[in-house]
Amino acid sequence: GENVEQHPSTLSVQEGDSAVIKCTYSDSASNYFPWYKQELGKGPQLIIDIRSNVGEKKDQRIAVTLNKTAKHFSLHITETQPEDSAVYFCAASIRGDDKIIFGKGTRLHILP
Amino acid sequence: NAGVTQTPKFRILKIGQSMTLQCAQDMNHNYMYWYRQDPGMGLKLIYYSVGAGITDKGEVPNGYNVSRSTTEDFPLRLELAAPSQTSVYFCASSPSGTGGEQYFGPGTRLTVT
Repeated sequence: GENVEQHPSTLSVQEGDSAVIKCTYSDSASNYFPWYKQELGKGPQLIIDIRSNVGEKKDQRIAVTLNKTAKHFSLHITETQPEDSAVYFCAASIRGDDKIIFGKGTRLHILP
Repeated sequence: NAGVTQTPKFRILKIGQSMTLQCAQDMNHNYMYWYRQDPGMGLKLIYYSVGAGITDKGEVPNGYNVSRSTTEDFPLRLELAAPSQTSVYFCASSPSGTGGEQYFGPGTRLTVT
């Protein structure tokens, strides 16, 4: 089955700097790659997603890139703000499957 | 819309007790999921359902049971609770399976002692 690896497990960046979180997946049949943000005491919430027919997608300060050949995808957050502090999960879904597989998460700390 | 609701928010169980975690959604989503989240371990899928009357096992189904008699409700049953089931449980729903956004509830924090 699909396996998703996520790095780093913890990331601290100065406010205003950029943050990058990387994930790899194992099954080349995966075609959907969402990113979820989980704030303290809440359930995860989708922030951006990308499908395998697209190499990059951007939404304001957040962007995701996908390299299908290398089977890895990354989340980029620019001009980080205090409210970006949270746990971020990458995930992958295999075409035709009804479930997604999550990475273990990255705890992002934005330092003042 | 209330979205996905879960009850209770917190619960302490003694070893061997049973309980049902409730999950309901008012978005008319066919797909519903139960995950458990252990510290530093991400989200593990316990069971999921693609519609009323249909359920299937996820990665970690042992010790749990589910039912889906209506589109709205997807309860998770723990029989003979064990300390290994101490975790935060999240229910989610989605309008579609593959490639669809999942909407998560606020979670239930369960401690088994």
